[in-house]
Amino acid sequence: DTEVTQTPKHLVMGMTNKKSLKCEQHMGHRAMYWYKQKAKKPPELMFVYSYEKLSINESVPSRFSPECPNSSLLNLHLHALQPEDSALYLCASSQLRRGGLTGELFFGEGSRLTVL
Amino acid sequence: DQQVKQNSPSLSVQEGRISILNCDYTNSMFDYFLWYKKYPAEGPTFLISISSIKDKNEDGRFTVFLNKSAKHLSLHIVPSQPGDSAVYFCAASATGTASKLTFGTGTRLQVTL
Repeated sequence: DTEVTQTPKHLVMGMTNKKSLKCEQHMGHRAMYWYKQKAKKPPELMFVYSYEKLSINESVPSRFSPECPNSSLLNLHLHALQPEDSALYLCASSQLRRGGLTGELFFGEGSRLTVL
Repeated sequence: DQQVKQNSPSLSVQEGRISILNCDYTNSMFDYFLWYKKYPAEGPTFLISISSIKDKNEDGRFTVFLNKSAKHLSLHIVPSQPGDSAVYFCAASATGTASKLTFGTGTRLQVTL
């Protein structure tokens, strides 16, 4: 069983809709991540939160808006998306130490997003 | 610019034999390397990692080898089992880059009976 839970597993939305992806972990990890994965491509980093603060934004368009309400929750708010934004969105968490990544990322099963 | 490359998109191995998956990197600042396994419609699952201070790390059937001078790492799975059939990603990070993990392009492993 994955210890990172993502909802919903599947989401279909129109280009004018507003929706959110949610992620939850109870491992006490203080770093949480959003990755985007297109078919036959590697996961690409979008955002990193460290101690509930945004530490990395990989030049992601503003139609994607992350939020970290507390140390266990991570949201990705979606608005005015394009069909090319259709992808698998992966949430992950990890421990944090000084100097950066300390160990493996634990991934959720992903939310498959289709934008019509 | 792909900093982590897996040049074999697919690999087929017979059950019981050794599977060797390769990964090359270009960024000399990378000092921590990980292998992930991914089944369709699931998130990647961590397999094994290695720090640049080592050249080998072993965990059960999985062994990772690191050749820093060649900027090359490999994952050995022995013996291979049908349940190992999945896409394998190598990933790398550099100390001080605030948790940024760069993934390779992936190799699809099929273990046949």
